[in-house]
Amino acid sequence: LAKTTQPISMDSYEGQEVNITCSHNNIATNDYITWYQQFPSQGPRFIIQGYKTKVTNEVASLFIPADRKSSTLSLPRVSLSDTAVYYCLVGVSYSGAGSYQLTFGKGTKLSVIP
Amino acid sequence: EADIYQTPRYLVIGTGKKITLECSQTMGHDKMYWYQQDPGMELHLIHYSYGVNSTEKGDLSSESTVSRIRTEHFPLTLESARPSHTSQYLCASSEYAGGQGRVTEAFFGQGTRLTVV
Repeated sequence: LAKTTQPISMDSYEGQEVNITCSHNNIATNDYITWYQQFPSQGPRFIIQGYKTKVTNEVASLFIPADRKSSTLSLPRVSLSDTAVYYCLVGVSYSGAGSYQLTFGKGTKLSVIP
Repeated sequence: EADIYQTPRYLVIGTGKKITLECSQTMGHDKMYWYQQDPGMELHLIHYSYGVNSTEKGDLSSESTVSRIRTEHFPLTLESARPSHTSQYLCASSEYAGGQGRVTEAFFGQGTRLTVV
């Protein structure tokens, strides 16, 4: 499982674009990059997943450079309701025989300010 | 909306009691997980299963046990609850797209907030 590093916290004003970068220097060839969002007292929710270049959906965009050693989650025009913890996950941890773990790190706490 | 359900949502129980937290999913996912999370803290994986009759312990040591007798059901049991077990417990499920080498979207339940007094 590739180790990831992301900022502990970020602040942003409403209406701004927010970019959260995740570093994953030892990403493996087959690893995908996945981002989740978690609101207080709720389970994480899948946002976006990608392998290379750019992926966009109705919620966010994911930018992955050619070397894939980092990725950036971009949230356009954030609102107060985007205040949450954002997790970057890379790959899976294999334990053999089809068994693997889905492990979350500390995440980035995004606070959107009015 | 995700079809994964946890019961109860809230539980207050006395020390020494045996409890079972229920988790069920109707998506046919092979992979299921239990996480423990204290307020404002990290999600810690405590148990996971990659299919019927397969369970493994996660990164965080836990006194709880799990079973996977049916694909859709992944209950967590504490034989003797203690105040140190007070936490939120989250259940999740996902598929593994083995041919593509990736984990597909994981769906989480609403969680069970356990308080042991």
